[in-house]
Amino acid sequence: DVKVTQSSRYLVKRTGEKVFLECVQDMDHENMFWYRQDPGLGLRLIYFSYDVKMKEKGDIPEGYSVSREKKERFSLILESASTNQTSMYLCASTRQAPYEQYFGPGTRLTVT
Amino acid sequence: GNSVTQMEGPVTLSEEAFLTINCTYTATGYPSLFWYVQYPGEGLQLLLKATKADDKGSNKGFEATYRKETTSFHLEKGSVQVSDSAVYFCALSRGGGAQKLVFGQGTRLTINP
Repeated sequence: DVKVTQSSRYLVKRTGEKVFLECVQDMDHENMFWYRQDPGLGLRLIYFSYDVKMKEKGDIPEGYSVSREKKERFSLILESASTNQTSMYLCASTRQAPYEQYFGPGTRLTVT
Repeated sequence: GNSVTQMEGPVTLSEEAFLTINCTYTATGYPSLFWYVQYPGEGLQLLLKATKADDKGSNKGFEATYRKETTSFHLEKGSVQVSDSAVYFCALSRGGGAQKLVFGQGTRLTINP
């Protein structure tokens, strides 16, 4: 079975802190994604990566950056956390089309 | 642009009731369509999919048919169970090798015994 793991289930950070969210997949998938999930808005794509060191902005990249140094690991970075970044963050991975995206359990981040 | 609209939730039903969750989409080209389910405390998992017009996806008693003429992909189940309580997301693929998805806002379903 494909497994996507995320480093934390719950995280509390202070405004202005630098925050790292880690995601690891074990199925050699080329593509990895970071979404945020907010009530009434569904999932919105922040960034995705289609290969090591390759990345593209999604729909809401402002305030975020990403890093993919190894194929299995995709990190989301909040350079200076703000309260409006309080949300559920979901990581996903997939092979090339038309395969399904596999999701991690999510990290619920609270910025105070 | 591409977008997905789902019926407003929350939806509350009694066990063994018939379920329909409406989903309509706007897209250029011919996207693939998906239903994902999120159980409490978990990430999303694929429930079913359809890759071309008139295809029917089915899984765990759920069905949805890709209707190009009405740009719809409604989710149905004949007899729901308490264990079906979850949030359901309709999504379409934007195409391209990376399979970027566009999600609807989600519909929370609660089944009472």
